[in-house]
Amino acid sequence: KNQVEQSPQSLIILEGKNCTLQCNYTVSPFSNLRWYKQDTGRGPVSLTIMTFSENTKSNGRYTATLDADTKQSSLHITASQLSDSASYICVVSPYTGTASKLTFGTGTRLQVTL
Amino acid sequence: NAGVTQTPKFQVLKTGQSMTLQCAQDMNHNSMYWYRQDPGMGLRLIYYSASEGTTDKGEVPNGYNVSRLNKREFSLRLESAAPSQTSVYFCASSAQITDTQYFGPGTRLTVL
Repeated sequence: KNQVEQSPQSLIILEGKNCTLQCNYTVSPFSNLRWYKQDTGRGPVSLTIMTFSENTKSNGRYTATLDADTKQSSLHITASQLSDSASYICVVSPYTGTASKLTFGTGTRLQVTL
Repeated sequence: NAGVTQTPKFQVLKTGQSMTLQCAQDMNHNSMYWYRQDPGMGLRLIYYSASEGTTDKGEVPNGYNVSRLNKREFSLRLESAAPSQTSVYFCASSAQITDTQYFGPGTRLTVL
């Protein structure tokens, strides 16, 4: 069964610090991997999308990396801000391109404090 | 441009009651989706509509029905609500089935 595992489950950091969130997946064959940000009480919002041939993708202070060989991805947040407090969800799409096969991770809950 | 809108935002039902969750998008997207999100679990697909006039089951379709009313609107119906359907429901849309999905704000449903 295709799985997406994220770590850590939760994380607390001080404002201004950097952090890295991890995503390991077993989906194969693999098409693309997305990172979403979900604020409390809101729907997820797409941050980045990477295909199997891409190693890194940036969106402002967010940088995602992908190692398709080891089936690992990370999301690095630079100079964190209070507004970064949210859950970050890793989503993996298989090669079939079928919506029903998207696999969502359970997310990492990040809290940025003063 | 409101994106994806959902109504209602909150709903409390008694076991056995029925209700319909409404979703609309104004981005001219072809594909629409219904998910549920439960604590400790990833988003799970209930039903989706790849294009107007088609609907398909997702991972957890039992107890639900959907209607793609037109290109803009996709509704989710619970015919006889059960406590196990207590969840947060998200509607999403995308230009095509393989594109990035845009999510609505969610409906928090409690079934007593």
